[in-house]
Amino acid sequence: KQEVTQIPAALSVPEGENLVLNCSFTDSAIYNLQWFRQDPGKGLTSLLLIQSSQREQTSGRLNASLDKSSGRSTLYIAASQPGDSATYLCAVRDRSDSWGKFQFGAGTQVVVTP
Amino acid sequence: DVKVTQSSRYLVKRTGEKVFLECVQDMDHENMFWYRQDPGLGLRLIYFSYDVKMKEKGDIPEGYSVSREKKERFSLILESASTNQTSMYLCASSTLAEVYNEQFFGPGTRLTVL
Repeated sequence: KQEVTQIPAALSVPEGENLVLNCSFTDSAIYNLQWFRQDPGKGLTSLLLIQSSQREQTSGRLNASLDKSSGRSTLYIAASQPGDSATYLCAVRDRSDSWGKFQFGAGTQVVVTP
Repeated sequence: DVKVTQSSRYLVKRTGEKVFLECVQDMDHENMFWYRQDPGLGLRLIYFSYDVKMKEKGDIPEGYSVSREKKERFSLILESASTNQTSMYLCASSTLAEVYNEQFFGPGTRLTVL
């Protein structure tokens, strides 16, 4: 069964520093991987979706890379701001599932200090 | 702009009550999902549906049922609410496409069962 891990569980950085968030998965046979942001008490906001054929995806200050062979994805957030403080989750859809379900990591809680 | 809405942001119910949580999406998505999220346990899939009147159990279906009479609407039903069902409930939707099936979430319903 696919397992998704996010380490560390929590991270604190000073404003302006680049953020590097990690996501690892055990089965490399995936259709895609999605990164989300969650603010306290709110739903998940989709940030980026990387298809299995892609190596990276960019949106503004966000860049996500995917290395299927090693079972890893990394989310980079450039020049972090206090507004980037949130929990970041990754989710994968693997090829063994025909229904379109996702497996989620537990998330990394990020605090950006002014 | 794509949208998933949930009927209530906060709900307080008493033990034994029947509870309905509703989710509506406006993206013509085939798939709809109900998750619950608890501290330390992450996101857990309760039920999902891939078509009208079709449903599949997720990882924790006990104590819950679902209904999907129209494509845009997916309801979660707690037949007899219990205190251990106090949680954040999140609805999501996505297409059936294999590769590009970005998942979109609603704002969540914080349910408290007294």
